[in-house]
Amino acid sequence: AQSVTQPDIHITVSEGASLELRCNYSYGATPYLFWYVQSPGQGLQLLLKYFSGDTLVQGIKGFEAEFKRSQSSFNLRKPSVHWSDAAEYFCAVGARGATNKLIFGTGTLLAVQP
Amino acid sequence: KAGVTQTPRYLIKTRGQQVTLSCSPISGHRSVSWYQQTPGQGLQFLFEYFSETQRNKGNFPGRFSGRQFSNSRSEMNVSTLELGDSALYLCASSLAGRGGGDYEQYFGPGTRLTVT
Repeated sequence: AQSVTQPDIHITVSEGASLELRCNYSYGATPYLFWYVQSPGQGLQLLLKYFSGDTLVQGIKGFEAEFKRSQSSFNLRKPSVHWSDAAEYFCAVGARGATNKLIFGTGTLLAVQP
Repeated sequence: KAGVTQTPRYLIKTRGQQVTLSCSPISGHRSVSWYQQTPGQGLQFLFEYFSETQRNKGNFPGRFSGRQFSNSRSEMNVSTLELGDSALYLCASSLAGRGGGDYEQYFGPGTRLTVT
């Protein structure tokens, strides 16, 4: 079955430090992969997506992610975190078949220390 | 271009009542999906509508239903509310797409439903 695992429930980093959020997926073919961010009381905002091609994808707000098929991973990175990056981050995979259903991971809550 | 709008933003209901939530997708988007978000279960897919037809359905009881109108606006209904239905209900819209997530989905701000 398709699934997404985000092993880190909560991460705290210092402002200016680098960030890597982990995401592993289970999918039988080349997946469509997404990272979304959710601020408190808000909906989800798409940070970036991978459909095909270059395995390093750039997104908004200075985020990037790398698709690694051999590791079934799609980790999110940012070289220097800003206090405004504090939020919850969700990795998702597009379900198979004629549907736009997304399967989400459980999320990683990011706290940023001054 | 206006984003996805959801009404109402907040709702308080009593057990046993029913509720209807509304979602207006981005202009031109024909696919609307609904998700339930709770602290315990995370983000769970409810159903997807495309061109007024339900294209996919998640693992929720029959108390949860939805529909889509010819202008792509969608409603979801929950009958006989239970305490466990308290959640943030998110709506997402996208262009038609073949499915499989090949089009970006844009989420609304959600409706916060509290059942007492």
